[in-house]
Amino acid sequence: RKEVEQDPGPFNVPEGATVAFNCTYSNSASQSFFWYRQDCRKEPKLLMSVYSSGNEDGRFTAQLNRASQYISLLIRDSKLSDSATYLCVVNMGDSSGTYKYIFGTGTRLKVLA
Amino acid sequence: DGGITQSPKYLFRKEGQNVTLSCEQNLNHDAMYWYRQDPGQGLRLIYYSQIVNDFQKGDIAEGYSVSREKKESFPLTVTSAQKNPTAFYLCASSIRSSGISPQHFGDGTRLSIL
Repeated sequence: RKEVEQDPGPFNVPEGATVAFNCTYSNSASQSFFWYRQDCRKEPKLLMSVYSSGNEDGRFTAQLNRASQYISLLIRDSKLSDSATYLCVVNMGDSSGTYKYIFGTGTRLKVLA
Repeated sequence: DGGITQSPKYLFRKEGQNVTLSCEQNLNHDAMYWYRQDPGQGLRLIYYSQIVNDFQKGDIAEGYSVSREKKESFPLTVTSAQKNPTAFYLCASSIRSSGISPQHFGDGTRLSIL
């Protein structure tokens, strides 16, 4: 089983729709969680960190479910400019105290006019 | 403006040649990382450094080398031993590798074989 798994998509949604992505992780000791956005042939850009209580930033809401070991990203009122690949990142430590960022392969979103 | 600068944006390597990718950050971050991304795939960790003069191998270190002589700089050398170097290379940094802070990325270097 992969350490971090995402549905690759693509998710094709009309403008104005609400869309949600999930990301599951295998290590219950994972420390912190992030969502990044990556446009075609560009670097990943931090969209939001994911906090235990859930957090919202405008049209974007991130939630963490430690019991079921997944994080989610909800996008409301989708815009054409939201079309991108969304990467889930989980940070976990090992027995030596080293922390590693583990990336999912991303979920591709296409917002259609 | 603080950030991470990678250069060059595009790089071409001849057979048997070593090439060096530059990564500089002015964010005062302790930890720096190098990733490789192949089309349609996720990011894979090549090397990382938590502090000056120290670095560790990631998941795919073979054929690559790094140095960390200054806090701001973490250059990556792609050696001739790396037989399939064509990829998008991303440098990242974080405040430290404690697990709480997110990573920030440079805008990448595209390396191709001539």
